[in-house]
Amino acid sequence: EAGVVQSPRYKIIEKKQPVAFWCNPISGHNTLYWYRQNLGQGPELLIRYENEEAVDDSQLPKDRFSAERLKGVDSTLKIQPAELGDSAVYLCASSLGQGGGYEQYFGPGTRLTVT
Amino acid sequence: GENVEQHPSTLSVQEGDSAVIKCTYSDSASNYFPWYKQELGKRPQLIIDIRSNVGEKKDQRIAVTLNKTAKHFSLHITETQPEDSAVYFCAASLYNDMRFGAGTRLTVKP
Repeated sequence: EAGVVQSPRYKIIEKKQPVAFWCNPISGHNTLYWYRQNLGQGPELLIRYENEEAVDDSQLPKDRFSAERLKGVDSTLKIQPAELGDSAVYLCASSLGQGGGYEQYFGPGTRLTVT
Repeated sequence: GENVEQHPSTLSVQEGDSAVIKCTYSDSASNYFPWYKQELGKRPQLIIDIRSNVGEKKDQRIAVTLNKTAKHFSLHITETQPEDSAVYFCAASLYNDMRFGAGTRLTVKP
């Protein structure tokens, strides 16, 4: 079974440019997460989806970040415009259930560098 | 919201020694506590987890203990090996709302 797929794996952009990340979760996983991981830190939740509904986006900087999960499967995370401080690894994860207590499976991440 | 603190931030042990990493959480309602291992440049992977109705869980050289009253949980690795070198993250979760600690960089010296 394929794991969580993310693309691109690496992205280098200039500040003020837009960027988008794509995630395909494990088949059948209802819950999808986007995290940001700064160097030397733990993953920080940006947004959590239950099927196609964003149930927790309290940590998403909504002035520049947006996300969508059409049809409750794939998801995209967009930054527009990017700032230097957005340089980080963006991790997508998925889990099976909606009730909690389920293992989260992480994708390989997208390493974003903003110059 | 939930806040998870993790200590120490770095840990160096000799091969064969034990390693202990400790975490505290703030929300007494949290009911699921996983531990993830992340090797350099790779994705976090679950190594062990524990639920709030259990006090201890063991899987070969790895064990986790949970003290709900004190709101802390610990990871214990015995007979450490060089391949255990990585960053370890604890997390606390209520339903699907999971918060991670800042991580512990474990180095096992041969």
